[in-house]
Amino acid sequence: GENVEQHPSTLSVQEGDSAVIKCTYSDSASNYFPWYKQELGKRPQLIIDIRSNVGEKKDQRIAVTLNKTAKHFSLHITETQPEDSAVYFCAASKGSGYSTLTFGKGTMLLVSP
Amino acid sequence: GAVVSQHPSWVICKSGTSVKIECRSLDFQATTMFWYRQFPKQSLMLMATSNEGSKATYEQGVEKDKFLINHASLTLSTLTVTSAHPEDSSFYICSATGHGVSETQYFGPGTRLLVL
Repeated sequence: GENVEQHPSTLSVQEGDSAVIKCTYSDSASNYFPWYKQELGKRPQLIIDIRSNVGEKKDQRIAVTLNKTAKHFSLHITETQPEDSAVYFCAASKGSGYSTLTFGKGTMLLVSP
Repeated sequence: GAVVSQHPSWVICKSGTSVKIECRSLDFQATTMFWYRQFPKQSLMLMATSNEGSKATYEQGVEKDKFLINHASLTLSTLTVTSAHPEDSSFYICSATGHGVSETQYFGPGTRLLVL
């Protein structure tokens, strides 16, 4: 089955800096890659997703890049703010949201003021 | 975005009792719902996938007789933890997807279960 590796497990940055979280996947048939943000004790919330027919997608301070050949995708957060502090999960699936998502182990991002 | 609710938000029960958790899609028809389990500081572990009107598909290692899933309507799925034991204590989260929500999975707020 699919295996998703996520790095780093923790990331500390200063407010205003950029943060990058990287994920690799094993199944070349995977074609849908969402990123979720989970604050302590709360539900995961979708922040951005990308499908395999595009290489990059941006939404304000958040961007995701996808390299299908290398089977890796990354989350980029610019101008980080303390409220960006949370655990971020990448995931991969074949098809769409109807398909099962395989999650990475998560990255705890801490943004210090 | 689409809204998914979950009830109860937390439950404490005695060992041996059964607990039912409800997951509802409030503003869309959820043709597919997923149930996850999450341990502290860990990732989401998929337990099962349920499609409206059909039997749930369980992941390897998940006891179907222990975790009963019913998806009787397009807005409601239930997870029943039967004969709960302390090792079943965990954070259970559902997600839902369907037509009209760009096939994205939207998560419920989770249910924290503590079995004494």
